[in-house]
Amino acid sequence: DQQVKQNSPSLSVQEGRISILNCDYTNSMFDYFLWYKKYPAEGPTFLISISSIKDKNEDGRFTVFLNKSAKHLSLHIVPSQPGDSAVYFCAARTPTGGGNKLTFGTGTQLKVEL
Amino acid sequence: AAGVIQSPRHLIKEKRETATLKCYPIPRHDTVYWYQQGPGQDPQFLISFYEKMQSDKGSIPDRFSAQQFSDYHSELNMSSLELGDSALYFCASSSGGGGVSDTQYFGPGTRLTVL
Repeated sequence: DQQVKQNSPSLSVQEGRISILNCDYTNSMFDYFLWYKKYPAEGPTFLISISSIKDKNEDGRFTVFLNKSAKHLSLHIVPSQPGDSAVYFCAARTPTGGGNKLTFGTGTQLKVEL
Repeated sequence: AAGVIQSPRHLIKEKRETATLKCYPIPRHDTVYWYQQGPGQDPQFLISFYEKMQSDKGSIPDRFSAQQFSDYHSELNMSSLELGDSALYFCASSSGGGGVSDTQYFGPGTRLTVL
């Protein structure tokens, strides 16, 4: 049962344009959502997060939007750069007290072309 | 800035052997998480520790055990290895102790290959 879904396995955009990565979830107990970027042979790198009580969080070129009623979040990257090419994972946190496990989506491979 | 350190980076074992993976969290982080990522899959939560106590348990086989030591480093012990255990094993650490801003930072992973 995939509780966090990224329905687009890949996305290709031109340099300078906007990249929009989408994520859907089913578990309403998730209290925090995070986006990680991953290069091959490296661990996931934290990008940006959003609390379930917010609908938008912005950090530089990265903005995450949360639509709680639709159980949907998206990551916007503007402008996209070739160095953004990587796999992007959406992750949702389950609060357990003293430790919060993450449930990951299946990832979206972003390719930013020149 | 110091990051999460995992060792070894690569490990090759035979079936039925034992493996030990080590994780050194970011300084002053008190919580450690272990995840397993199989080929073409998303990372799956295995187990976590907060202040040296197990705080949550996921899909970790009974053949695996883990602990967090007094210096906050953690070890994942895997026995009776099976071919299906071949995967990337990530460790993450955080400082929030479960608080709202408890962001997990990941290490580079250990690639385990079971032959």
